[in-house]
Amino acid sequence: AQKITQTQPGMFVQEKEAVTLDCTYDTSDPSYGLFWYKQPSSGEMIFLIYQGSYDQQNATEGRYSLNFQKARKSANLVISASQLGDSAMYFCAMRVLRQLTFGSGTQLTVLP
Amino acid sequence: NAGVTQTPKFQVLKTGQSMTLQCAQDMNHEYMSWYRQDPGMGLRLIHYSVGAGITDQGEVPNGYNVSRSTTEDFPLRLLSAAPSQTSVYFCASSYSKSSGSLYNEQFFGPGTRLTVL
Repeated sequence: AQKITQTQPGMFVQEKEAVTLDCTYDTSDPSYGLFWYKQPSSGEMIFLIYQGSYDQQNATEGRYSLNFQKARKSANLVISASQLGDSAMYFCAMRVLRQLTFGSGTQLTVLP
Repeated sequence: NAGVTQTPKFQVLKTGQSMTLQCAQDMNHEYMSWYRQDPGMGLRLIHYSVGAGITDQGEVPNGYNVSRSTTEDFPLRLLSAAPSQTSVYFCASSYSKSSGSLYNEQFFGPGTRLTVL
């Protein structure tokens, strides 16, 4: 069975600073994809970034980067230069075969 | 494109009632899925489909039925609603149905907030 663990229920960061949201995963399948989604208070799910298990380089998308450490089975999201609009719930997810498994999420609050 | 649409946005049911949550997408995606989101638990997969006529169970399928008669539509049926089914339900779709393709950005609908009394 696949499992995603997000150990930080809530995080605070000062505006313009960088923040790292932790995600560890567990699977015995060598082929998997890792995703991060953002869910603002309005409720929609917004795709942020993707990392494949065979990708050699860490994924980056604008201010988002994924710190992929395969041996440690971790896929931390790094948000650089935080903005007030980054305040939201963030979910890490893993795809194995046809199923996507989500973590419990981290509530990020950006302070002015 | 409208993307993924869900109706209704809100619904209140009494225990034992049945209803269907509607989901439609206009992106010609093969893969569609239903999730429920409960506080503190993230999203959990209920059922999914890799194409018309093909459905399979996810992590929490009990109490729910699905069918996929067209590429566009993927309704979720609650057969006999229970208070434990109070949740926010999300429908999602994505390009790839192939298990060999890892990249699978899912496009989510806006969600349906269901309360069962």
